[in-house]
Amino acid sequence: AAGVIQSPRHLIKEKRETATLKCYPIPRHDTVYWYQQGPGQDPQFLISFYEKMQSDKGSIPDRFSAQQFSDYHSELNMSSLELGDSALYFCASSATDRGISGNTIYFGEGSWLTVV
Amino acid sequence: GQQVMQIPQYQHVQEGEDFTTYCNSSTTLSNIQWYKQRPGGHPVFLIQLVKSGEVKKQKRLTFQFGEAKKNSSLHITATQTTDVGTYFCAGPPLYGQNFVFGPGTRLSVLP
Repeated sequence: AAGVIQSPRHLIKEKRETATLKCYPIPRHDTVYWYQQGPGQDPQFLISFYEKMQSDKGSIPDRFSAQQFSDYHSELNMSSLELGDSALYFCASSATDRGISGNTIYFGEGSWLTVV
Repeated sequence: GQQVMQIPQYQHVQEGEDFTTYCNSSTTLSNIQWYKQRPGGHPVFLIQLVKSGEVKKQKRLTFQFGEAKKNSSLHITATQTTDVGTYFCAGPPLYGQNFVFGPGTRLSVLP
């Protein structure tokens, strides 16, 4: 079965540079989530999109922006990178369930960003 | 805002021993989901509980959702080395879409 695809898997950038992460959700999933996971920490919610519109916003720095495109893939843009931005960035997707059961989130394998 | 806590933070067990992790949310959840993350891996969906008081089993794993839909537990019977990893609970609030993860319980199993 198709899973959430993230690229690149690994990225090394210098401070103050810009990085872009891409996410391709599972086909027919209409919601995309971005999470940041620092070493030894739990995933922290950054932002989500539903049907190409921002649906929720978490602890995403102002230096970061994201969008979801017409083909439902999403990109996370990170500018003025800082050492503290080094983390594993997960993209996840889900299909909206209009019943009471809610959504199940499926994660991609993550993109490792190292800022040096 | 919504907060999710998990205890314990770490658990070391001998292979064959049982293990339980508890998840508590500050707000009522519409559902609770459990994920397992192996070292260096990504969170993998294990199960979703929706109904108040619901109990589900997956082989040696038993998941329970509290009556008030604010807490949950995961119990592993007779742990194996393959159970090693971090177990996260996560769930959206009753009104909202944002999933909030608990801090996770890191399980290590000694052979």
